[in-house]
Amino acid sequence: SQQGEEDPQALSIQEGENATMNCSYKTSINNLQWYRQNSGRGLVHLILIRSNEREKHSGRLRVTLDTSKKSSSLLITASRAADTASYFCATIGGGGNKLTFGTGTQLKVEL
Amino acid sequence: KAGVTQTPRYLIKTRGQQVTLSCSPISGHRSVSWYQQTPGQGLQFLFEYFSETQRNKGNFPGRFSGRQFSNSRSEMNVSTLELGDSALYLCASSLVGSNEQFFGPGTRLTVL
Repeated sequence: SQQGEEDPQALSIQEGENATMNCSYKTSINNLQWYRQNSGRGLVHLILIRSNEREKHSGRLRVTLDTSKKSSSLLITASRAADTASYFCATIGGGGNKLTFGTGTQLKVEL
Repeated sequence: KAGVTQTPRYLIKTRGQQVTLSCSPISGHRSVSWYQQTPGQGLQFLFEYFSETQRNKGNFPGRFSGRQFSNSRSEMNVSTLELGDSALYLCASSLVGSNEQFFGPGTRLTVL
């Protein structure tokens, strides 16, 4: 079963604009990760934020985590057409590497 | 370093048949996980293997099974295929002590 929801389900923006995606989850976590998927291919890891962190940056990506609200957001600044993809949040709780994914946000960046 | 490889990339089977999918992790990665992706259910965890032992298992019927070999390569098997097994099957590997997973391109299985 899905861990949580992501919103919006789909997002269409112009190149150069910022894109924000939100993720909610249901249970306690060790960390939360964001992945990108292009056209039904494999997923690419973007960023990991631990449960004791509130914000993390990586290049044009900014992730926030609010464990009290069980939510996270991914901000992509100055988006490019190449950022067009589906974005998934995923959580790990407990031992091992079992990822529980959200429903995903389809981002389209238009020229 | 070569990435995670999965074979075959595409498969067409008929109901009732069985199928075996293969995954070769990144060199040095000992944890291998499998996921199923469908439009209706999204990304669902199947199982995780570490040092040839199943460490975690998702909520799938016993028709879905897997194994890991001493070189960390992994296979998953689905027996008595059903139409609903049509999906993209993704394999991911990770280093010991790391939660970051590296995904392969997937095997797209179509059951007719």
